[in-house]
Amino acid sequence: KQEVTQIPAALSVPEGENLVLNCSFTDSAIYNLQWFRQDPGKGLTSLLLIQSSQREQTSGRLNASLDKSSGRSTLYIAASQPGDSATYLCAVRPDTGRRALTFGSGTRLQVQP
Amino acid sequence: DGGITQSPKYLFRKEGQNVTLSCEQNLNHDAMYWYRQDPGQGLRLIYYSQIVNDFQKGDIAEGYSVSREKKESFPLTVTSAQKNPTAFYLCASSTRTESYEQYFGPGTRLTVT
Repeated sequence: KQEVTQIPAALSVPEGENLVLNCSFTDSAIYNLQWFRQDPGKGLTSLLLIQSSQREQTSGRLNASLDKSSGRSTLYIAASQPGDSATYLCAVRPDTGRRALTFGSGTRLQVQP
Repeated sequence: DGGITQSPKYLFRKEGQNVTLSCEQNLNHDAMYWYRQDPGQGLRLIYYSQIVNDFQKGDIAEGYSVSREKKESFPLTVTSAQKNPTAFYLCASSTRTESYEQYFGPGTRLTVT
């Protein structure tokens, strides 16, 4: 059974820092991986999707990498801002069978002004 | 605007009552999903549907029921058999081909006392 782990569970940084969020998964047979952002009491917003054949994806100040064979992904946030404060979730989709996502528990990020 | 709507945003019920959560999408997606989120945790899959008139149990289906009579709609009923129904419920949809990228609604917070 696929398990997804996110480290650290919480992170507090001063504004302007570059930071890395980590995601690991136990079964490398994935179709793709998605990173989401969730603000308190809200739904999820898709940030980046990396297909299993890709190594990384970029959107603005965000860069996500994928090492499928080692079961790891990282989300890099450049020049963090207070508006980046939120919970970041990663989720993997299997490459066979049901195509629903398996989620990690998230990293709660606080960027201090 | 294309998107996913969930209603109501907040729902309060007495123990022993069934309650139905609404989910509607106008993205023309074939697949729809229901997830449950408990405080400080990731999302867990309740039910999913790949096509109209077909749905499958997820990891925590006990005490829940769904229907998929229309492509746009995927309501979730929380029955009195669900032992711990208080949670945040999220609906999502995706295509069934290519990226399967999932989009989420704003969620319904259910409180049962």
